[in-house]
Amino acid sequence: DSGVTQTPKHLITATGQRVTLRCSPRSGDLSVYWYQQSLDQGLQFLIQYYNGEERAKGNILERFSAQQFPDLHSELNLSSLELGDSALYFCASSTGGNTEAFFGQGTRLTVV
Amino acid sequence: AQSVTQLGSHVSVSEGALVLLRCNYSSSVPPYLFWYVQYPNQGLQLLLKYTTGATLVKGINGFEAEFKKSETSFHLTKPSAHMSDAAEYFCAVRAPGAGGGADGLTFGKGTHLIIQP
Repeated sequence: DSGVTQTPKHLITATGQRVTLRCSPRSGDLSVYWYQQSLDQGLQFLIQYYNGEERAKGNILERFSAQQFPDLHSELNLSSLELGDSALYFCASSTGGNTEAFFGQGTRLTVV
Repeated sequence: AQSVTQLGSHVSVSEGALVLLRCNYSSSVPPYLFWYVQYPNQGLQLLLKYTTGATLVKGINGFEAEFKKSETSFHLTKPSAHMSDAAEYFCAVRAPGAGGGADGLTFGKGTHLIIQP
């Protein structure tokens, strides 16, 4: 158990809908990262938050947004969903600085 | 910008044989390098990492990797494969200190390790 908790584990929704994925980082970790894993794109970094502020952006679509709350949990919001958004979404956390990140078990999103 | 190339999307070895998973990276600065393992329906687990210092890094489950700057490589090895090693392995790179902290990792496409009995 990495200590990073993601909910829900599975999500099935229709095209055009909006969903929210939730991540609770390890106790004491200030950094939260979101990644998308799909068959065609592999593992891609989406966005990072550090202590409530956006720190770095990767290949995140404009339809996607994230935030980190004062209690350090984070949410990834995906809107106007398309079939191609079906993927495994991972959250990872770290203490910050140049340390390794610990990954949650992921949320499998299926858009139908 | 950084990139990672993992040679071989699938590698098959016999139980007890040497495991060698190849990773080459591209980075404009000395990178931090990582190997992660993903078991079916699981998240990613860190096997080992290289940041600075000794170039031969030992990780969990008997795996090790050697950072070779001249070859821009960070290959993962294990002397004797076990059936439980069957999984997906990802090499990843991050530029140290970028963005004032730990930016996101850049991952390779992954190598699926198959262990033959």
